[in-house]
Amino acid sequence: EIVLTQSPGILSLSPGERATLSCRASQSISSSYLAWYQQTPGQAPRLLIYGASRRATGIPDRFSGSGSGTDFTLIISRLEPEDFAVYYCQQYGSSPITFGQGTRLEIK
Amino acid sequence: QVQLQESGPGLVMPSQTLSLTCTVSGGSISSGGYYWSWIRQHPGKGLEWIGYIYYSGSTYYNPSLESRVIISVDTSENQFSLKLTSVTAADTAVYYCARDGGGQGFFDPWGRGTLVTVSS
Repeated sequence: EIVLTQSPGILSLSPGERATLSCRASQSISSSYLAWYQQTPGQAPRLLIYGASRRATGIPDRFSGSGSGTDFTLIISRLEPEDFAVYYCQQYGSSPITFGQGTRLEIK
Repeated sequence: QVQLQESGPGLVMPSQTLSLTCTVSGGSISSGGYYWSWIRQHPGKGLEWIGYIYYSGSTYYNPSLESRVIISVDTSENQFSLKLTSVTAADTAVYYCARDGGGQGFFDPWGRGTLVTVSS
């Protein structure tokens, strides 16, 4: 199975700053089948990005995804208070579907 | 829009079978085009995909759980269900149901999740 490693584990930033989250795969992900989710405490994950770079419906344009092969990035251009949460990447190019372990984005 | 809601016992005895149902509203499972999944999250941990089902009944399971998992669908009730046999404390988790992205393997939307604790 494809193992996804997210870094950093914890990212401490202030509102208004730019956040860069990384997701690295143990082998190439076909067709950039990589998604990103945001999870706040007590809530289900929310789809942000699919196909590595396509924003899901209703997601603000401050969220952007990029990458291919084994290296993918989620960028939040200007952090809003509601963006402090845990972020997961997920690959769906190879079975079984797998998730990264998450990056916690916390207020500095 | 489509909404999903998990239901089932919050406490299961060790060695017993965990049974959950996901009720879909705002859309019909039998219309096709989507796969319906179960995903779990151990307390304070990451996410683990359990498996999915198509309206026809075709299933695919995570090999790590395949020997203990059965996912079924009831199109007349617009529901799909999860059974996990021979549970242990390691199966304690929040269980989510979710729809895939139109034949692709990302998940949207998700149910709110239900906590299942395995304990005597």
